[in-house]
Amino acid sequence: GAVVSQHPSRVICKSGTSVKIECRSLDFQATTMFWYRQFPKQSLMLMATSNEGSKATYEQGVEKDKFLINHASLTLSTLTVTSAHPEDSSFYICSAAGGGLGNEQFFGPGTRLTVL
Amino acid sequence: GQNIDQPTEMTATEGAIVQINCTYQTSGFNGLFWYQQHAGEAPTFLSYNVLDGLEEKGRFSSFLSRSKGYSYLLLKELQMKDSASYLCAVDNFNKFYFGSGTKLNVKP
Repeated sequence: GAVVSQHPSRVICKSGTSVKIECRSLDFQATTMFWYRQFPKQSLMLMATSNEGSKATYEQGVEKDKFLINHASLTLSTLTVTSAHPEDSSFYICSAAGGGLGNEQFFGPGTRLTVL
Repeated sequence: GQNIDQPTEMTATEGAIVQINCTYQTSGFNGLFWYQQHAGEAPTFLSYNVLDGLEEKGRFSSFLSRSKGYSYLLLKELQMKDSASYLCAVDNFNKFYFGSGTKLNVKP
């Protein structure tokens, strides 16, 4: 199957700082990437959908100015959590789709964000 | 809105069969995926249903009824390593909406 990586896998930061998370499709070109957030013992919540070269589409209730998404190439999307607060602590997972691989999404290993 | 329901938790015995149900009401439907997720890890793909009926893949099978908005994942010959959360996800035209997940506990 297709491989998606995320970096970093774990990050701890102080309240008020910004954190950037990278999502890369390693062996295929992802026309679409998705960002999810998962709180403990809950399911994945779709935050936004990004297509290469265009603005991300955010789900209702997700602040686009707080969660900046950039999809600059067919293999890289970044999520920046700006002015992070403790309530932003969560497990962030990206997925990628496209590249002639049908409509299946391939998930990255996730990034554990802890905001102190 | 999107409404996808699964039981929160189930317990079964090693070697047994377990069925995990998923009901959905979504604004669009292009297919339904089942994923397995171990704690702190990313989901891994198990199955995909587009048409009504049963899809079998080894010890795992998945069923879909589009008219009823219903799917189930069937796990046979349960093994201890099958202890995990199982997530159903509706593909709403390339946007995935996940159920809350069912935590499966497999006991010896």
